[in-house]
This record gives sequence, C-alpha cells and structure tokens, in this order.
Amino acid sequence: NAGVTQTPKFQVLKTGQSMTLQCAQDMNHEYMSWYRQDPGMGLRLIHYSVGAGITDQGEVPNGYNVSRSTTEDFPLRLLSAAPSQTSVYFCASSYGQGTYEQYFGPGTRLTVT
Amino acid sequence: AQSVAQPEDQVNVAEGNPLTVKCTYSVSGNPYLFWYVQYPNRGLQFLLKYITGDNLVKGSYGFEAEFNKSQTSFHLKKPSALVSDSALYFCAVSHYYNTDKLIFGTGTRLQVFP
Repeated sequence: NAGVTQTPKFQVLKTGQSMTLQCAQDMNHEYMSWYRQDPGMGLRLIHYSVGAGITDQGEVPNGYNVSRSTTEDFPLRLLSAAPSQTSVYFCASSYGQGTYEQYFGPGTRLTVT
Repeated sequence: AQSVAQPEDQVNVAEGNPLTVKCTYSVSGNPYLFWYVQYPNRGLQFLLKYITGDNLVKGSYGFEAEFNKSQTSFHLKKPSALVSDSALYFCAVSHYYNTDKLIFGTGTRLQVFP
C-alpha cells in the first residue's frame, strides 16, 4: 500500500492564483481531513469528510474548498491564494473519526508571494 | 470548546535519561487523547492513544502516556531517551460528543543530547 499520497511536494503561487492540492489514499478509509501546520500553532483542521459525498468545515475553512467524489481522493482547492495561506498542508485519513488513529501524508509546502 | 495545551515549546534531555512531554486538555465529557510524532520534513506518525480503560497506555518505540482525569493531563513518557527520539511531538484530543474533529496542541520539540 502507498498509504496517503500528496502532490505536489512544493508549490509557489502568486497572490490571486488558484490551485488544487491533491490527496489520495489506498486504505479504503472513510474519514479524510486536511490540516495546515504553521510555526507555533500546531496543526489546524481546515476541512474534513466522513465519507464520499460528505464534507464539513474545520477550524480554519475560509479560503479553501473541498469535495469528496470518491473514497480515495480528497482534493483541497485554493480559489484565490493569499500570503496568509503560506503554510505546510497535510492530508490525513482514518477508518473513522474520534477513536481511530490518523495516517498522514508527507505534506505540501506552499508559498504565496 | 475542546482544547489541548502543550506548555513547553522544547524539552532537552540527555540520552539514557527519562523524558516527559507534557499535555493538558479541556473537553466536556470523556476525552479521546492521542500522541503523534513528526520527524523533520515528514508527516505525523501515530504513537499511542487513550480511549478508555487502563490509565497507563503503551505505544510505539517504547513510549507510554498516563491519563490523569483529575489533573486533565496526558503526559508522554519514556524511561530512557534515545538521540533518535529527537522530533516534534503533538498531543491531540477529541471527545464522544464531537468525534469528527481532532484538535492538536502546538507541539513540543524534544531534543535528546548524546
């Protein structure tokens, strides 16, 4: 199993550009989530999904969109990038929410200039 | 609202000595508690969790954590530190009434010196 994969590993955007961060898992996990990691702030939940066709907002959803058309994929879209979105983004998946450990991807380092 | 605090930004310990990384939480109801570790330029890896039962939980790489309900704490411990344990450690919490959302602490950097 490849586990959780994320592409790209690195990305530089100009303010106002849009892009999609890709996330895929091959473990047949129902639950998937996106976090951003910023120095001194730990990981903050952006959006999550409890199954195909179902998504919900986390702590910091503004400026990001998600969709979950299949169990395997959970892309994160930045509609109009801002410097405040410079961060490291992690995708995670698990069998369910709450009591299950999450499996994290290797991360995408995004810089918005 | 649920929250978790890691009061130390960094913990320094000599190899072979015991280590403790502190975590306190605030939730209404019974908490589900987790520890994750992050090595440089990598994603987070699960170490251990407390859901219910025995207050002392054993996990990967010789780590353990003790759930203390009266002190609302879940400190991570290891009897004898290794240089290879040097990494960033995150405590996280969710609870029965809101299991969708896992809230992470700000992280503690553990530095083990030879």
